[in-house]
Amino acid sequence: AQSVTQPDIHITVSEGASLELRCNYSYGATPYLFWYVQSPGQGLQLLLKYFSGDTLVQGIKGFEAEFKRSQSSFNLRKPSVHWSDAAEYFCAVGAMDSSYKLIFGSGTRLLVRP
Amino acid sequence: ETGVTQTPRHLVMGMTNKKSLKCEQHLGHNAMYWYKQSAKKPLELMFVYSLEERVENNSVPSRFSPECPNSSHLFLHLHTLQPEDSALYLCASSQPGQLGGGYTFGSGTRLTVV
Repeated sequence: AQSVTQPDIHITVSEGASLELRCNYSYGATPYLFWYVQSPGQGLQLLLKYFSGDTLVQGIKGFEAEFKRSQSSFNLRKPSVHWSDAAEYFCAVGAMDSSYKLIFGSGTRLLVRP
Repeated sequence: ETGVTQTPRHLVMGMTNKKSLKCEQHLGHNAMYWYKQSAKKPLELMFVYSLEERVENNSVPSRFSPECPNSSHLFLHLHTLQPEDSALYLCASSQPGQLGGGYTFGSGTRLTVV
């Protein structure tokens, strides 16, 4: 079955340090890929998306992600983390058998040390 | 403003009460979704409506009853809930057939069942 794996449940980084959140997916073709961020008690906000073209995608809030077909990965990166980036991050992939369904990973909670 | 509005933001209800959650979008989307987000659990897709027709119902107990009177509005009617139903309920919308656009989420309704 199609799946999205975020292997890190929690990640802690110091403010100003770089960040990489991992996402691996299973899919038979070039997928639609997304990263969402959720602040406590809020809904999910789209950070960036990929479905074709340049494999390095720029998003909002200084985030970027790179699609690597050979590794079935779509990792999220930020060169310098701010305290306001503390949140939960979800990776998602468009389902192969559906025109509307997204499959979400279980999320990675980012903690930022002052 | 995310484009998807959920009301109320917070709801406390007794197990014998009947209440409704409301979701409204003015993005021109034709698909709408209800998700349940419990602590330490992945996002659970509950219901999907496409063009006002329910297209997915993921084994949700009958105490949850969705309604989609038009493409802009989605309701979740609640009755005889259990304490384990306490969670953040998220509404989302999208354009079916255009997965590349992803979902737009509302801010959620925090439900507490006492």
